[in-house]
Amino acid sequence: GQNIDQPTEMTATEGAIVQINCTYQTSGFNGLFWYQQHAGEAPTFLSYNVLDGLEEKGRFSSFLSRSKGYSYLLLKELQMKDSASYLCAVVDSNYQLIWGAGTKLIIKP
Amino acid sequence: GAVVSQHPSWVICKSGTSVKIECRSLDFQATTMFWYRQFPKQSLMLMATSNEGSKATYEQGVEKDKFLINHASLTLSTLTVTSAHPEDSSFYICSASPGGVSYNEQFFGPGTRLTVL
Repeated sequence: GQNIDQPTEMTATEGAIVQINCTYQTSGFNGLFWYQQHAGEAPTFLSYNVLDGLEEKGRFSSFLSRSKGYSYLLLKELQMKDSASYLCAVVDSNYQLIWGAGTKLIIKP
Repeated sequence: GAVVSQHPSWVICKSGTSVKIECRSLDFQATTMFWYRQFPKQSLMLMATSNEGSKATYEQGVEKDKFLINHASLTLSTLTVTSAHPEDSSFYICSASPGGVSYNEQFFGPGTRLTVL
């Protein structure tokens, strides 16, 4: 079966750094997305990785290791507005998007 | 660019009535549109994938006769929840993709919150 694992919930302090991990087992791989979703709102795109390595975009970075079936989203200089759920999603060999359950990130002052 | 709208943003209806939700891609042509449902504190659940001009592909466990999907044009898809019941109350989100041979990013609409009394 296809499986995406990410922690259910994480807590971090404003101004700090947090890393949200995602491991996956899918039939094929055509890329991995990270989305941010605030409560009651639709997801918004953060990053897309299809090759190994780190991609940096402002305060957010995303890393991928295809051989390990592993990705992480790194958030720096945390702000209160970063409190949200972070969804990891993998595109499988049929170009279907397989969603993780999401990680709820709680930022404390 | 890549804006997707949904209408209505929220709806309250009586049990047994039908509700139609519209999803529009405003500045691009969406070959493929996706409909998701999300219950509180749960992840997105894909309901169906629709390609313009063809029948939607429903995920296992989703009743195609209850959730009618029409993708009549490259910018509009509709989801009709027929004979809605309280258990259908949920957050319905559509997304649109420009499509093509390889996978393209999905652009999400703002969602529609359905409450069935």
